[in-house]
Formats: sequence, C-alpha cells, structure tokens
Amino acid sequence: SAVISQKPSRDICQRGTSLTIQCQVDSQVTMMFWYRQQPGQSLTLIATANQGSEATYESGFVIDKFPISRPNLTFSTLTVSNMSPEDSSIYLCSGQQGSYNEQFFGPGTRLTVL
Amino acid sequence: DAKTTQPTSMDCAEGRAANLPCNHSTISGNEYVYWYRQIHSQGPQYIIHGLKNNETNEMASLIITEDRKSSTLILPHATLRDTAVYYCIVRVAWRGSTLGRLYFGRGTQLTVWP
Repeated sequence: SAVISQKPSRDICQRGTSLTIQCQVDSQVTMMFWYRQQPGQSLTLIATANQGSEATYESGFVIDKFPISRPNLTFSTLTVSNMSPEDSSIYLCSGQQGSYNEQFFGPGTRLTVL
Repeated sequence: DAKTTQPTSMDCAEGRAANLPCNHSTISGNEYVYWYRQIHSQGPQYIIHGLKNNETNEMASLIITEDRKSSTLILPHATLRDTAVYYCIVRVAWRGSTLGRLYFGRGTQLTVWP
C-alpha cells in the first residue's frame, strides 16, 4: 500500500491570498487526484493531476482558481488562488496504481479562510 | 455525479454483523463497485471492490446481486472503531472518459453501539 502525506496539515489564510498544498507519495503511482470536502459534506473531485501535462478538471473547477502541478510520479501540488471564505474546506489528494486498483488518500489539509 | 443510493444512517450493536446496502441500478458493464469509509477527520480508506462476484477480504465481504443493480457490504463483527461514513461508489475500470475516478455520494453514517 502507498502512504500519502500532505503539507500543510492545516492553515488559516486571509481573503485574497493563495495557498499551495503539497502531496507526497512514498512510491510511484500512475494516477493522482485532488478532492475537496466542504464542512459536513462528502468529497468532491476537483481534478486529475497528470504527470508532465495539464490537469484534467471536473465540471465547476477551473485551472485559474486551482492550478495543479505534477512534476513526477510521486509528487503533486494544488494551489487555491485568490481565496474567499467559501474555499474553507479540507483538501485531500489521492493516488493509485492503474485505473481500477485501490486509491489511497492523504490525511487532508484543513483550510480556513478569514 | 454519484450513481449510487445509500441510506443516510444505520446503527449496529458491537459484535454483530453490519449490513450496509447500496443501490446502483444504472451501473454499466465497465464499472466496478467500490466501498470506502471515512472515519472522522481522516482521509477515506479503501475497503473492498468487486465486479460481479462476491468478494471477501480481511475487513469485509461484498455481496453483489446477479443483475449487479445492488450490493451489500458486510462487516461480520462490528467494533466501535468501525463507526464511520461508508461510501459505495461505482467506478469506471476500463474504456471510459472518467477512467479511474471516484465520485463520492453522501454515504451511510454507521454508528456502532457498545
């Protein structure tokens, strides 16, 4: 099984600023994803992080707001840009080998925007 | 969008079997049934998955009906640590634009009572 870590684990940010969240996997994974979990809600897929190319965003999410990088098979970043209080959520990354193997999740980054 | 329907909440006495139902009447031939759970303040944890045959592992059993329109996750001897939100997800395993992605519904809050 893969172990996924995220940095920071939590942060409190001011409106209008940006935060970059890092996701590190302890082994190479084929696919990596980013999710958002708003308070009291289920997880919503933001995008698929593609190695060496632009991320694939789900409906309702755009690159200008959530730029994603994935420079190699073990690391990805998600930036939450120009934050507003509505962006206060837990952001989780995940990784998997292949298209149908189990997907491992990081512990999440709890973001509060004031 | 999630393609599954689950009860909002269930409870179970410690030591008894917990049977969590899931309806996925529009499942396609290239989709598997996956179960994940999320213990409070943690990232989701993979439990089990299946295509059409019943599956068992060290955590649980998965029973899929012959027509694949519904399934049941069975925790044979529930403990207090099994209290969590359980998500049933259908996931494209091959040949699809959403290959590998997980779309979470609202899940079932399982509470195990002592």
